[in-house]
Amino acid sequence: NAGVTQTPKFQVLKTGQSMTLQCAQDMNHEYMSWYRQDPGMGLRLIHYSVGAGITDQGEVPNGYNVSRSTTEDFPLRLLSAAPSQTSVYFCASSRTLMGIKLTGANVLTFGAGSRLTVL
Amino acid sequence: DAKTTQPPSMDCAEGRAANLPCNHSTISGNEYVYWYRQIHSQGPQYIIHGLKNNETNEMASLIITEDRKSSTLILPHATLRDTAVYYCIVRGYSGGGADGLTFGKGTHLIIQP
Repeated sequence: NAGVTQTPKFQVLKTGQSMTLQCAQDMNHEYMSWYRQDPGMGLRLIHYSVGAGITDQGEVPNGYNVSRSTTEDFPLRLLSAAPSQTSVYFCASSRTLMGIKLTGANVLTFGAGSRLTVL
Repeated sequence: DAKTTQPPSMDCAEGRAANLPCNHSTISGNEYVYWYRQIHSQGPQYIIHGLKNNETNEMASLIITEDRKSSTLILPHATLRDTAVYYCIVRGYSGGGADGLTFGKGTHLIIQP
């Protein structure tokens, strides 16, 4: 049981390049999400998904695309990288809404993070 | 979601109890209090949550005041590995995990040897 796996751990891009951050979970969680963390800013939600085929925007979605073709995977795409996207990115997943409703346990499981530098 | 207020930093001696306060004076009746922590360069880690009653698990205890306007996370015997940023989050269950949790700046707890 690996939990939430993110790849790559480190990436350096040039302005304008595109890339995909991968996120996979093996806990059969319906909910998956992407956060970015900048110094002094806390974590900010980029996009999230409530299940396969369903995605929605978070607080800072501009410049990022997501898709959810399977329950397990939730990739984050940068179409044209900008220096402002230099950050640490975290993927997180959680269980079904019914499970949360029954216990109140909004337990997000996070990946180890992907550090992205855009030059 | 109710706003939370935490001190930016705290020190605690190794082996002593670490008591981390959180103010959430605008909390509503269906909102839970969650605590997460983030050890340097790692992803955040869930610690504990509660609604009204005090809660305890293998990691920590959560004390919620009777009026629910504040709470305290207690690490009973702090170790150097407990040095981390601790986030207090208030969230209603209806939000689920779908639209995320709001992580503020938290409290940087430093355990001193």
